[in-house]
Amino acid sequence: DAGITQSPRHKVTETGTPVTLRCHQTENHRYMYWYRQDPGHGLRLIHYSYGVKDTDKGEVSDGYSVSRSKTEDFLLTLESATSSQTSVYFCAISARDSYNEQFFGPGTRLTVL
Amino acid sequence: GENVEQHPSTLSVQEGDSAVIKCTYSDSASNYFPWYKQELGKRPQLIIDIRSNVGEKKDQRIAVTLNKTAKHFSLHITETQPEDSAVYFCAASKGGGGADGLTFGKGTHLIIQP
Repeated sequence: DAGITQSPRHKVTETGTPVTLRCHQTENHRYMYWYRQDPGHGLRLIHYSYGVKDTDKGEVSDGYSVSRSKTEDFLLTLESATSSQTSVYFCAISARDSYNEQFFGPGTRLTVL
Repeated sequence: GENVEQHPSTLSVQEGDSAVIKCTYSDSASNYFPWYKQELGKRPQLIIDIRSNVGEKKDQRIAVTLNKTAKHFSLHITETQPEDSAVYFCAASKGGGGADGLTFGKGTHLIIQP
């Protein structure tokens, strides 16, 4: 499945704690994305990266930060988790410079109590 | 920003019949329209896509049509089979390649009745 892994796959945490999710790719693709998926909302873009150290905000970026220090890893951090951040988080990658064909990782199910 | 509307939210069809899912988008600059299939507990899988310089694209039992003037695109599945049961998402993206996320519709739960 396009050489994308996410870790952890499941996490339960408490309100106010920091959480970091990792996306790792073996495809050497330039573009990486973080989405969250919630019932009734489909998938919504949180942040994306267009190269090492190059990132930008998406539709629902409040409360999240990202970092990309090397091509293969894209980290999503919740500085102080809230119950509204309980969701399934998907990472995606894209190689195309001409159109936005994206492939998704297996997802991380995060529960904030 | 871009807004993608998807209908219906649930679609139930008899096995062997056709299914059609429709999406509209708001930003005329969007030029790439993928469709994803997601089975329960799995990741979204790209099943077909279309770019704005093409009006229709087919791949075996699935096809996608695009009407740029009306800003809508549709997924057509013929001869439906039980394994087609899943949630389907449409999405839209502007040019500039990957330096832009996808804007998704809210999904259609397709149920194939035996």
